[in-house]
Amino acid sequence: QSVLTQPPSVSAAPGQKVTISCSGIRSNIGVNFVSWYQQIPGTAPKLLIHDDDKRPAGIPDRFSGSKSGTSATLGITGLHTGDEAFYFCATWDNSLSAGVFGGGTRLTVL
Amino acid sequence: QMQLVESGGGVVQPGTSLRLSCAASGFDFNIYAMHWVRQAPGKGLEWVAVIWYDGTYTFYIESVKGRFNISRDNSKKTLYLQMNSLRVDDTAIYYCARGIRNYDYLDVWGQGTAVTVS
Repeated sequence: QSVLTQPPSVSAAPGQKVTISCSGIRSNIGVNFVSWYQQIPGTAPKLLIHDDDKRPAGIPDRFSGSKSGTSATLGITGLHTGDEAFYFCATWDNSLSAGVFGGGTRLTVL
Repeated sequence: QMQLVESGGGVVQPGTSLRLSCAASGFDFNIYAMHWVRQAPGKGLEWVAVIWYDGTYTFYIESVKGRFNISRDNSKKTLYLQMNSLRVDDTAIYYCARGIRNYDYLDVWGQGTAVTVS
């Protein structure tokens, strides 16, 4: 069982918008930055969002991040089949003195 | 370009040891914290360990404490993970990744090396 809680799966039609939630507690999301990673099966994870809501160079603005209290959200607009992947949230946990990931969310673009 | 290349994975028996390596290129290795993250077959990502840029601090996930040791050789731009007393549930692909501000996020990842304990 993961320290951060994500829905196992989400789905939406091409062109639509989807959000993926990530729930934690005060000692992790409540006091540290959240990052999001995209992983296409068989490949390494790729950084999508850092510092709660910042996009690295090369990540389109269809991807967005937000955080409120002990929860974070990844938003993806204008969905296309190339977005089908697993998405993971992550942060540091001060109580555990360890990095923590969410269990991952599988995105299906119907 | 910035690159991380893992090596050292393989198939080993329970109770034995293995050392993974991660060779860095294209950036100043000696100013960044470095992490190991693993992924068991069909499972999600699991953070394993981090080492500060100069090796002064290391942190581990509870399940590997006392068995795994993360280290680095900045002169060789290489990160290591010494894994002892391996267990079946250590079976995973092991990724190394560069940490920003030590642990705020991981911006460069290797392609991974597979470890099977059976």
